[in-house]
Amino acid sequence: AIQMTQSPSSLSASVGDRVTITCRASQGIRNDLGWYQQKPGKAPKLLIYAASSLQSGVPSRFSGSGSGTDFTLTISSLQPEDFATYYCLQDYNYRAFGPGTKVDIK
Amino acid sequence: EVQLVQSGAEVKKPGESLKISCKGSGYSFTSYWIGWVRQMPGKGLEWMGIIYPGDSDTRYSPSFQGQVTISADKSISTAYLQWSSLKASDTAMYYCARQKYYYDSSGYYGDYWGQGTLVTVSS
Repeated sequence: AIQMTQSPSSLSASVGDRVTITCRASQGIRNDLGWYQQKPGKAPKLLIYAASSLQSGVPSRFSGSGSGTDFTLTISSLQPEDFATYYCLQDYNYRAFGPGTKVDIK
Repeated sequence: EVQLVQSGAEVKKPGESLKISCKGSGYSFTSYWIGWVRQMPGKGLEWMGIIYPGDSDTRYSPSFQGQVTISADKSISTAYLQWSSLKASDTAMYYCARQKYYYDSSGYYGDYWGQGTLVTVSS
């Protein structure tokens, strides 16, 4: 089974900061990767699909990149509503989530 | 408006059976896969499996194969997740999610999610 890792597991940042989260697959998954945001007590929300495509309605400060085994989610200027946990999900083979990255307020 | 509405919270004893539901509305229920995701208390998301209500084609994550059953009744636009014998370790929040096919990527991603069903298993 394909294993997904994320780094860091958590980070503290300030409003306006640029934030980058990394997701790595144990084997190549082309660009079959999505990024989801989850706030406490809420269902996950799709941000990015196919590694770099922005889901409709998602602010353009979110962007994704990567292919193969290494992927990144970038928030160009962190906003108060962006404090949440972020998960990657590979859709290449037997879907698997990464362990998550919690973004909280510095 | 697309909506996925899940059944309410459940409290069960170990060994009991349970079936939770996810009702879709506002779209053609038979044309989209529905996936199920587990989130244990304070933990991350885990992919359980997926069903295509149009023909009931079902795929399970290896970790959940044999542990749960995913089904759907297209006549009432509802997908189900069921257990025949619950364990304390099944205590978790369970989410359903519609899987939309994105033609520009040739892939499926969860664009609408249910509100979650909390299952508590305790003696």
